Amino acid sequence: NAGVTQTPKFRILKIGQSMTLQCTQDMNHNYMYWYRQDPGMGLKLIYYSVGAGITDKGEVPNGYNVSRSTTEDFPLRLELAAPSQTSVYFCASSYSWASGNTIYFGEGSWLTVV
Amino acid sequence: GESVGLHLPTLSVQEGDNSIINCAYSNSASDYFIWYKQESGKGPQFIIDIRSNMDKRQGQRVTVLLNKTVKHLSLQIAATQPGDSAVYFCAENIRGNSGNTPLVFGKGTRLSVIA
Repeated sequence: NAGVTQTPKFRILKIGQSMTLQCTQDMNHNYMYWYRQDPGMGLKLIYYSVGAGITDKGEVPNGYNVSRSTTEDFPLRLELAAPSQTSVYFCASSYSWASGNTIYFGEGSWLTVV
Repeated sequence: GESVGLHLPTLSVQEGDNSIINCAYSNSASDYFIWYKQESGKGPQFIIDIRSNMDKRQGQRVTVLLNKTVKHLSLQIAATQPGDSAVYFCAENIRGNSGNTPLVFGKGTRLSVIA
């Protein structure tokens, strides 16, 4: 199993540009998440999904959109990039919320908006 | 403010000594806690978890202690090694009226192991 795979690993965007961070998992997990991590800080939840066709906002959803057309894929869309969106983005998946489960994280995507 | 936070942002430990990383939480509805290790340039890696009906759980060289009375969580690493140098996060899962919530992460503690 590849686990959670996210691309690209590094990207530089100009203010106002759009882009999509791709995320796919091959563990047949129902739950998927997008987090952002600012320097020296913990992870903040952007959006999450409990299954195909279902998405919900997390703590910091503004400026982002997601979709979940399949169980495997959970892309994160930035429509109008802003410097405040410079961060490291982590996609993650889990079989369920908790009760002995763990969340599996991707390797991260470093995004710089200039 | 955040429900989950850490007492010490940085911790330096001599190689071979034991490390203790602390975490405080404020939500009494939190019922599941996880410790993650994050090495530079990588995603968080699961270390150990504990449910709220337990007060201690041991893994390989790691022990998590949960004190629900004071809402405190700690991670103990025995015989700390250079490879343990990383940022450690605690995270909690809160039981809400419609089920559990996604994990809430604390800010992290950087552990530096001195050889």
